[in-house]
Amino acid sequence: DTAVSQTPKYLVTQMGNDKSIKCEQNLGHDTMYWYKQDSKKFLKIMFSYNNKELIINETVPNRFSPKSPDKAHLNLHINSLELGDSAVYFCASSLMVSVSYNEQFFGPGTRLTVL
Amino acid sequence: GENVGLHLPTLSVQEGDNSIINCAYSNSASDYFIWYKQESGKGPQFIIDIRSNMDKRQGQRVTVLLNKTVKHLSLQIAATQPGDSAVYFCAENIAGTASKLTFGTGTRLQVTL
Repeated sequence: DTAVSQTPKYLVTQMGNDKSIKCEQNLGHDTMYWYKQDSKKFLKIMFSYNNKELIINETVPNRFSPKSPDKAHLNLHINSLELGDSAVYFCASSLMVSVSYNEQFFGPGTRLTVL
Repeated sequence: GENVGLHLPTLSVQEGDNSIINCAYSNSASDYFIWYKQESGKGPQFIIDIRSNMDKRQGQRVTVLLNKTVKHLSLQIAATQPGDSAVYFCAENIAGTASKLTFGTGTRLQVTL
């Protein structure tokens, strides 16, 4: 069974549109994350939620709005999409907020292409 | 911000040989390090981790070495197999920054037959 799942896997859209990516984990973890991986494979954290509360916001434009309806879900909504938003977005989860010896499990990624 | 690792290099090794993937970090406040493996089209997968109070940790076919003096981390893979072909990332956590991981830019490992 999939531990961390994301939908959709691929998303192609026009500039200026609004889109959402959904993430769900069935591991019973308290902490969830969104990462962005650019075309050079550089992976950078965007947000982290612990038990539905935002704990990390890495100076991401406010066009990006994460929402955690419960601790098993963390969705990412992006308004007014720009070309530079094209990337692979990864959701991850971990048992608790402390990172040490607290493995982060990653989803399969959503490849977003903005035309 | 601080950088972990360098530009994305490629390491080519023959099947059965040992692989060594290197990573440099610059923040002396980092106290926890992880290696991740990312296969094509998939998310990163945890391999092994190490705290700053250790200089070596071993797993199955993998060993992580930490040299805090020169801020250097390495991942050694014994008897490299075709299934080891992937991009490998080191990541660091700075003490006191809770769940935040800073990733390096990765190394592509290609295993030739």
